[in-house]
Parts: sequence; C-alpha cells; structure tokens
Amino acid sequence: EAGVTQFPSHSVIEKGQTVTLRCDPISGHDNLYWYRRVMGKEIKFLLHFVKESKQDESGMPNNRFLAERTGGTYSTLKVQPAELEDSGVYFCASSQVGDRNTEAFFGQGTRLTVV
Amino acid sequence: QQQVKQSPQSLIVQKGGISIINCAYENTAFDYFPWYQQFPGKGPALLIAIRPDVSEKKEGRFTISFNKSAKQFSLHIMDSQPGDSATYFCAAPGGGANNLFFGTGTRLTVIP
Repeated sequence: EAGVTQFPSHSVIEKGQTVTLRCDPISGHDNLYWYRRVMGKEIKFLLHFVKESKQDESGMPNNRFLAERTGGTYSTLKVQPAELEDSGVYFCASSQVGDRNTEAFFGQGTRLTVV
Repeated sequence: QQQVKQSPQSLIVQKGGISIINCAYENTAFDYFPWYQQFPGKGPALLIAIRPDVSEKKEGRFTISFNKSAKQFSLHIMDSQPGDSATYFCAAPGGGANNLFFGTGTRLTVIP
C-alpha cells in the first residue's frame, strides 16, 4: 500500500513567487494534516482537513497560505507570494477517522527554500 | 509558546550505549505522548507512545519513562546501534483537534 506522498520533494523559489505543494494521503484516510518545520525548530501544525472540510486552520501563519482539498482526496498548499521566512520543510500526514490519538502517517516532506 | 520542550538538541552515543532524550510539558490535559523517529529524507514515523496512566512502556530496545508529577517523559534507547541514528521528536496531542504539538527534535548519532 502506498504511503503519504508529497510533491515536489524540493523547491527553490524567489521571494514574491508562488509555490504549490501537493500531498496525496493514504487511500481511505479522511484526516489530512499539514505541518511545517523551520530549521532547528519544532514541527508546527498548520491545518487539518476532514475529507474536504477544514476542521482546524489555527496554525496557518497568514493569508499568504491557502490550503485546499477538493473532493476529499489530495490536498494542495499554496504560498503566494512567498517570503524568506516561509522556508522550511512542509510535511503532510494522514490518518483514519478515530479518536484523537489515532496514528498519523507522514509523507517525506517538501523542502521549500525561498531566496 | 512551545507546548513541549525537548532536550538535548543533539546527542552522540557509542554503539551499545544508552541514549536518553527528555521532554517536558505544561498542559496537564495532555493524555497521550508519542515519540517519532525521522531518518534523513523521510517523514517522521511513530516509534512508541505512552498514556499517562502508566509510568513506563517498553518495546524492544525502546522505553518511554513517564513522570506525571514532574510533567516529564523520556525516551531511552538501550544498546544503541548505528541504525538508530536519526532525529527523534516527542509530541503531545493538541487541544480539541487531532493535531500534535512536537518538540524541537534531537539528532542522535550512534558511533560504531
């Protein structure tokens, strides 16, 4: 069974440009999460989808970030316009519906570098 | 503010030694404490988890020790092996949602 896959694995863009990250969760997982790790710091929660609905987007840094999950399958995270402080590794995770301790499976991450 | 504080930032251990990573939390409502292991180029993967109604959980060479009164928990890796070299994150569940609060990570290097 395929795990959580993320595209691209690396992206280098200039400040002011737009970047779109994609996440394909494990098939059948209704829960989808986005996280970000800035160098040397903790992995921080960005938002949580249940199917196509945003359950919690309290971790989104600002309105330059837009996440979508049309049809409740794959998700995209768009950063527009990108700023230097957006650099980091963006992780996507998915889990089955269950209690809040249900294991979440992570993708390999997208390393975003804004120059 | 950080919900989960992790130390040390990096750790070098001789093969066969014991690796110890510590975490502390403030929110007494936390009821589940997982540890994640991340190898370079991979995403974090659940390693072992504990609930606060027990003081210790062991799975193979990996043990979580939990001190509820001190609001601390730690990961012990016995007989550390070079293949254990990775970054380890402690975590705790977020408020009402299914998100996690992570520590800052510990980069473990086991020297042959």
